[in-house]
Amino acid sequence: GAVVSQHPSWVICKSGTSVKIECRSLDFQATTMFWYRQFPKQSLMLMATSNEGSKATYEQGVEKDKFLINHASLTLSTLTVTSAHPEDSSFYICSARDLSAGYNYGYTFGSGTRLTVV
Amino acid sequence: QKEVEQDPGPLSVPEGAIVSLNCTYSNSAFQYFMWYRQYSRKGPELLMYTYSSGNKEDGRFTAQVDKSSKYISLFIRDSQPSDSATYLCAMSEIGTDSWGKLQFGAGTQVVVTP
Repeated sequence: GAVVSQHPSWVICKSGTSVKIECRSLDFQATTMFWYRQFPKQSLMLMATSNEGSKATYEQGVEKDKFLINHASLTLSTLTVTSAHPEDSSFYICSARDLSAGYNYGYTFGSGTRLTVV
Repeated sequence: QKEVEQDPGPLSVPEGAIVSLNCTYSNSAFQYFMWYRQYSRKGPELLMYTYSSGNKEDGRFTAQVDKSSKYISLFIRDSQPSDSATYLCAMSEIGTDSWGKLQFGAGTQVVVTP
C-alpha cells in the first residue's frame, strides 16, 4: 500500500531557530500533500495544502511566512517552521493521496513529527 | 458549531465486546467518509473508507453511513486490548475546491480491558 515517510519523528529546538520537516511519498506520486497540526488530546487541524510546483494554500489563521511549505517534486514536501516559539510546539503530520487509486483512495499519513521549542 | 462532532470518551470496554463509535456532521457536501486509528505519538492509520450510505465491512470492522441523518458509525467486533487507541472520523467533499481537505472529529479514546 501507499507509504508516506516523515522525518524527523521528533525534534527539540531553541526559540528563534528554524526547523524543517520532510514528508516523502515512497511508492507513489503525490501532486498534493497536506500538512496538519495536532495539539495534545485534540484533533488534527489542517494547516495548508502543498501543491507540487506551485505555492501552497494556507488555511485561515495560519501564518504563511512562519510555516514555509515547499513541494519541489512529486514525492517530497517540506514544512519549515521559522523563528520557532514555544507556542509552536505541537505534533505536525503530513498526508498524501495516491491519485492512481481514483475514487478508491484513502489518505495516507506520515508518522508525525513532535516539535518541542524550548 | 464544529463541522464534525465526535465524543472524545474515554470509552472503556471489556475484551471481546463490541466497540461502537460515531460521528455527526453538519456539512451536507461531505461525500467521503473515513475512520482512522491513532496510537499515542503516531500518525493516523486508515481503517475504513466509504463514499456511499450503507454498511461496509472489513474483518472485525463495520462502517455505517447515513447521509440523510448526517451520521456515521464504526463498530469493532471481538475487541482486543491491541485495539486500545484513539479513533478519528474524517470526512471530505469530492469534486469541489475543498476536495482533499479532511475535516476530523475530535477522536474517541478507546480502552479495551483484558
